[in-house]
Amino acid sequence: DVKVTQSSRYLVKRTGEKVFLECVQDMDHENMFWYRQDPGLGLRLIYFSYDVKMKEKGDIPEGYSVSREKKERFSLILESASTNQTSMYLCASSLGTGGGYTFGSGTRLTVV
Amino acid sequence: GQQVMQIPQYQHVQEGEDFTTYCNSSTTLSNIQWYKQRPGGHPVFLIQLVKSGEVKKQKRLTFQFGEAKKNSSLHITATQTTDVGTYFCAEQSGGSNYKLTFGKGTLLTVNP
Repeated sequence: DVKVTQSSRYLVKRTGEKVFLECVQDMDHENMFWYRQDPGLGLRLIYFSYDVKMKEKGDIPEGYSVSREKKERFSLILESASTNQTSMYLCASSLGTGGGYTFGSGTRLTVV
Repeated sequence: GQQVMQIPQYQHVQEGEDFTTYCNSSTTLSNIQWYKQRPGGHPVFLIQLVKSGEVKKQKRLTFQFGEAKKNSSLHITATQTTDVGTYFCAEQSGGSNYKLTFGKGTLLTVNP
């Protein structure tokens, strides 16, 4: 089974801190994605990548950046965390040919 | 971006009753996927529908894709407490990026 591992399950950070969320997948998937999930708003795409060093903005990229230096790893960076970035962050991966996503367990980030 | 509308937002049933959730789009979809998220969990891929009028079954779950490829439904026969969770539909864009746009989901609760 494909496994997508997110480095932290819970994270508490202070306003203004730089935050790194790490995601690693072990099945050689080309595509990787970062979503945030908020009550009433559902899952919203932040950034995605379909190849190493490639990235594309999703629907809500403001305040975020990403890095994909290796195929298996996709990092989400909050340059200066703000309280409105308190959320559940979900990483996912999929094959380059499409098909279903495999999600990680999520990181619940609280910015205080 | 394009969005699929999902109804109802919530559904509470007695164990043994049937359940249906619907996804509708104003445009023709290339394909549609369905996911289940248990409380406190992450979305798990259930199925992908590609062809017009397609019907697929997984035990008590029946998935349909409309003839015009603008709507889809998930029907659960004789619900069980293990069916509790949020069911999401997601529309996949064509091209090389294969990003998903999720509906807001239907939260199903089952009274034993």
